[in-house]
Order: sequence, then structure tokens, then C-alpha cells
Amino acid sequence: QLQLQESGPGLVRPSETLSLTCTVSGGSTSSISYYWGWIRQPPGKGLEWIGSVYDSGSTFYNPSLKSRVTMSVDTSNNQFSLRLKSVTAADTAVYYCAREYQPLLDSWGQGILVTVSS
Amino acid sequence: NFMLTQPHSVSESPGKTVTISCTRSSGSIATNYVQWYQQRPGRAPNVVIYEDNQRPSGVPDRFSGSVDSSSNSASLTISGLKTEDEADYYCQSYENNDRVFGGGTKLTVL
Repeated sequence: QLQLQESGPGLVRPSETLSLTCTVSGGSTSSISYYWGWIRQPPGKGLEWIGSVYDSGSTFYNPSLKSRVTMSVDTSNNQFSLRLKSVTAADTAVYYCAREYQPLLDSWGQGILVTVSS
Repeated sequence: NFMLTQPHSVSESPGKTVTISCTRSSGSIATNYVQWYQQRPGRAPNVVIYEDNQRPSGVPDRFSGSVDSSSNSASLTISGLKTEDEADYYCQSYENNDRVFGGGTKLTVL
């Protein structure tokens, strides 16, 4: 059964870079059928798509975050990652990684809370 | 880009039927598939409807989805409501390479 697990620091200072990794087990990030995505949810608010990455390196980002986001896939370690630079308190959220079998997000990680604070 | 608008909250009694709407602001709702996700408190979302009206295995047939081009909206209908259906529900669609979520609807079963 496919499992996804987010990892990374739970606290990031303002203006610094948020870096998260999603480790995939029970499946392969090199599968040609899937994209791998990041979604976030500020406390008490709704879901926001951040972006999606394909194993070839193709990426698609939310236009509102595009200037600050970088996503990549590491097929050798069966992981994919998110980097969000110049963070502010508005970036405080639970960050989810997910497998995307276009058009649906069919498997999700449990989520990781990242707080931006000094 | 387009937006998906959902009612903030709905409530209904156990055993009844409830419908949650999702209206697309621009472009045709019929152009790109709509998905619906259920999110219980403290949990990750999980898909209950995909490609407008398809149910993943394991999702009860009490859940159904539809699309109405005349109102440019999609709907999630849950019949025979159970207390376990109480959750937040999000619609999601896309255009080109952008994925968009609705703002979410809190379903209360009381």
C-alpha cells in the first residue's frame, strides 16, 4: 500500500527558506503515471495547491507562489521535495504531500505543521 | 485563473440528504473534471468523488457527484446521512496546469 511521509523542520524563521521532503513507500516516484504534489492548509483555513512535479523534472506551480517555490524529485531515494523561500507568518500551515493521478490526488501524507516565527 | 465557490457550511439531520455546491467563476465547469475531498478534523483529505461522478472503491454509494453546465457548478450529494459524514468537504478542479480548490464546506450532521 502506498504511503507518503512528510519530514522537515517544524519551525522556520521569517525571511528564511522552508524545506520539506516527502518519502514515498509502497510505490515509485519514477512511475510515469503520476505527478507528485504539495498542498498546504493554514490553521483553520482551506486547502491551497502549491505545485506538482513529474519525475522528468517538469514542474507546475501555483501562480501566486511561483516566484518563491522550487520542487524536485529524487528517484534514487524515492523522495520529492519542496523549497519555499522568503517565508512570512502567512506561510504557517500544515503542509501535505500527495500523489497525483491526474486529475485526482489519490494518496496523501499525514501532513506536517510548519510555523514561521522568530 | 478561476475560482471555485462553495457554501461555508451546511447542516442536516441523520438519514436525510444534503447537497453541497461548487460554482466555477470563469470557464466552463464541464471542461475539466471536478473532484471532491472529505477532511475530518486533524486528518488528511481523502477523495470521495473523482472525474465529476466516479466513486473510488471503498466510498459508499451514498456519495454521488454531478455537474450542471447551466449553473456552471458541480454538486456533491450525500444521502442517508450518518454522523460519521460530519467533516469538511472540498471541491477541486484544474485548468491547463493549475489545480484549484474550493474554499471548503463544513457539513454538520445533527
